Amino acid sequence: AQSVTQLGSHVSVSEGALVLLRCNYSSSVPPYLFWYVQYPNQGLQLLLKYTSAATLVKGINGFEAEFKKSETSFHLTKPSAHMSDAAEYFCAVSEGNTGNQFYFGTGTSLTVIP
Amino acid sequence: DAGITQSPRHKVTETGTPVTLRCHQTENHRYMYWYRQDPGHGLRLIHYSYGVKDTDKGEVSDGYSVSRSKTEDFLLTLESATSSQTSVYFCAIKESGQGNTEAFFGQGTRLTVV
Repeated sequence: AQSVTQLGSHVSVSEGALVLLRCNYSSSVPPYLFWYVQYPNQGLQLLLKYTSAATLVKGINGFEAEFKKSETSFHLTKPSAHMSDAAEYFCAVSEGNTGNQFYFGTGTSLTVIP
Repeated sequence: DAGITQSPRHKVTETGTPVTLRCHQTENHRYMYWYRQDPGHGLRLIHYSYGVKDTDKGEVSDGYSVSRSKTEDFLLTLESATSSQTSVYFCAIKESGQGNTEAFFGQGTRLTVV
């Protein structure tokens, strides 16, 4: 079975500061992992994904995430927050290359303080 | 943007009435999903489809039914709407096969049951 835990339902950072959003997963098989972003009144947009190639993956808008198997983590980072990064972020897991179901965390709302 | 259209985008309905939400895709993807999004719960899977007339239940399927008579359309029906079904509903699609790893989301339908 797969599950995702996102630590911190709300995170606030100053503009220009490091963004760190935490995601831990549980999976009985090698997972694929995803970060999605949701802007107000919109659907979810893929930020980046890990699919068993490089453990450090880069996504859109300067975000990146590192897959750490030993820690069962896939934390999302961005070196310098921008006001436009304010949004809801969701981590999700699927069952690797046989997985067609996705399990989502409860989301983290990111606020960027000017 | 993935070719996914959800209709209606907003709906207010009365308790006890049936409601049908439509998801239409132009991508010819095999898999289609219905999720609901609620504060503190993230996205939870209601039902999904892996082909025409092939559907299965998700974790919160009680009170919902689905149908997929054509590849491009996936309908979600609330048989007798209740206030607990007030939510934002998202449709997602995914193609099968190696290399097709992520789901793509529609813009959502905001349903209010009064």
